Amino acid sequence: ETGVTQSPTHLIKTRGQQVTLRCSSQSGHNTVSWYQQALGQGPQFIFQYYREEENGRGNFPPRFSGLQFPNYSSELNVNALELDDSALYLCASSSNRALNEKLFFGSGTQLSVL
Amino acid sequence: AQRVTQPEKLLSVFKGAPVELKCNYSYSGSPELFWYVQYSRQRLQLLLRHISRESIKGFTADLNKGETSFHLKKPFAQEEDSAMYYCALLYRTSYDKVIFGPGTSLSVIP
Repeated sequence: ETGVTQSPTHLIKTRGQQVTLRCSSQSGHNTVSWYQQALGQGPQFIFQYYREEENGRGNFPPRFSGLQFPNYSSELNVNALELDDSALYLCASSSNRALNEKLFFGSGTQLSVL
Repeated sequence: AQRVTQPEKLLSVFKGAPVELKCNYSYSGSPELFWYVQYSRQRLQLLLRHISRESIKGFTADLNKGETSFHLKKPFAQEEDSAMYYCALLYRTSYDKVIFGPGTSLSVIP
């Protein structure tokens, strides 16, 4: 069973740039959710994709967008980066769009915005 | 507004002592609550869900709707329990959203 993998592990960008983070979900999972975890805080829900469509979104501006592909892998795109976007970005997959199933998390991408 | 609070950022207990990690929530609907754990250099992982009424690694958590709490308990702490613990609430509207608390770092002293 392949776990959730995220790439890259670390990334440094400057303010105003754009970034794409990638996630491969666990085998057999059709739902992917993304979280932002700032230092010393719990993960904050960004959005969820189920079968290539966004079906849930947290309190993040439109410059945070995503995609899910037919193989259920996913991307998180952030435009016009701001300093406060510096955080650990976590991807989680599950076999149930309702999110009351177990979430399987990746190791995260650490984004630093300078 | 829906919210999860964990009042203790850090909690230290001696090995063999009881441990209780506090979690309170605010939600007007019927809550579904979880505890997630992150051991050092490992991924965030589910510890237990209240709907399963299970005991994992000796931990239990009881949902108290009157006190809006979902405290995590273990009668005898072990060194391997040292980790970061997050309480989470499944929030249902037209779609589902998981809200995590800020986390409590548990340190078990040998």
